[in-house]
Amino acid sequence: GQNIDQPTEMTATEGAIVQINCTYQTSGFNGLFWYQQHAGEAPTFLSYNVLDGLEEKGRFSSFLSRSKGYSYLLLKELQMKDSASYLCAALGGGYQKVTFGIGTKLQVIP
Amino acid sequence: KAGVTQTPRYLIKTRGQQVTLSCSPISGHRSVSWYQQTPGQGLQFLFEYFSETQRNKGNFPGRFSGRQFSNSRSEMNVSTLELGDSALYLCASSDGLAGGRADTQYFGPGTRLTVL
Repeated sequence: GQNIDQPTEMTATEGAIVQINCTYQTSGFNGLFWYQQHAGEAPTFLSYNVLDGLEEKGRFSSFLSRSKGYSYLLLKELQMKDSASYLCAALGGGYQKVTFGIGTKLQVIP
Repeated sequence: KAGVTQTPRYLIKTRGQQVTLSCSPISGHRSVSWYQQTPGQGLQFLFEYFSETQRNKGNFPGRFSGRQFSNSRSEMNVSTLELGDSALYLCASSDGLAGGRADTQYFGPGTRLTVL
């Protein structure tokens, strides 16, 4: 089966760094996605990791450890516009199904 | 390329009615997935269609069904609506064949369904 766990809410200060963790149990694992979803909008793609390690893309970085079933999304130099939900999603299972976590609602405060 | 489009954007129905939602994927994408999103449950997977065939299915009752046409456009139908079906229904398209990063899903704006 598939199981994704991530914190439901986090608060961080503008200009700071925040790490959003995600653990997964996915048979036939073939990659981990992170999506950003602003309130009332559709999710948008942020990153994809399939190999262990850190991938950096501007202010956002994503890390994966396949052996630990663990990923995190790192947001640096937080801006107010980063207030959103961040969804972790694992790819795997029959016919490469994508399973989403419930999402972490991040609030950035001044 | 044009993005994923969904129609209608908003819908109000009453209990017992049925509803059909439509999704047009990004040109060239052959996989269309449907999700139900509610505040307490997050994104719940309904089903995925690839080349007109249902390839994956979530744990929803048979009242929820879908289909995909030869041009990859997809429709989702919910019969005998219940109050609990009120949600945002999102469709996402992807390549569906190459695997890995190519399975990145691109979401449409969603259809907000309210059941009274």
